[in-house]
Amino acid sequence: DAMVIQNPRYQVTQFGKPVTLSCSQTLNHNVMYWYQQKSSQAPKLLFHYYDKDFNNEADTPDNFQSRRPNTSFCFLDIRSPGLGDAAMYLCATSRTGATNEKLFFGSGTQLSVL
Amino acid sequence: GNSVTQMEGPVTLSEEAFLTINCTYTATGYPSLFWYVQYPGEGLQLLLKATKADDKGSNKGFEATYRKETTSFHLEKGSVQVSDSAVYFCALSDGGAGGTSYGKLTFGQGTILTVHP
Repeated sequence: DAMVIQNPRYQVTQFGKPVTLSCSQTLNHNVMYWYQQKSSQAPKLLFHYYDKDFNNEADTPDNFQSRRPNTSFCFLDIRSPGLGDAAMYLCATSRTGATNEKLFFGSGTQLSVL
Repeated sequence: GNSVTQMEGPVTLSEEAFLTINCTYTATGYPSLFWYVQYPGEGLQLLLKATKADDKGSNKGFEATYRKETTSFHLEKGSVQVSDSAVYFCALSDGGAGGTSYGKLTFGQGTILTVHP
């Protein structure tokens, strides 16, 4: 059974049109992460939530926002997508966020910007 | 800052060949090291990990040893199978000098492995 679920699998949006990607988890984990993975590049952390506390990476553009209304759900909002935002977006969870814990990943949402 | 460097890919092997994928890292503290694998159409999943120097992680015939002196965590498998075809990511999680990383991972760029029958 899928434990970290991302919807949709593929998302197409228009240049400048806001888009929201969804992630849910059945693991009751405290920490949720959003990574951006461009073609042939390493996944790059955008931000994470430790419970309700939001932590933005220093180089994450202001165009990217996130919401976590409850433990199970986390959303990635792209306010005005540009062509450079086309990428795979990965959601992940960690039980406590300890350094030695493994992360559980969803299958990702492939975003295309036309 | 932290960084992870993986050998350039893609790697193409015949079934039963020996596999090595090199990984080196830089970190400010005492990181935990991971190998994640991504099969086609699926999310990343943990393959193995090591949390301190000289630890060996192993799973499904894959092994990697945490070498602090060479800052390396090379992935090896003695005999690959077609089902091992996937993208392999080396990653670290570093709490820094007494701090916590909240499990944030720094990834290498990934190595595509293709195994032919």
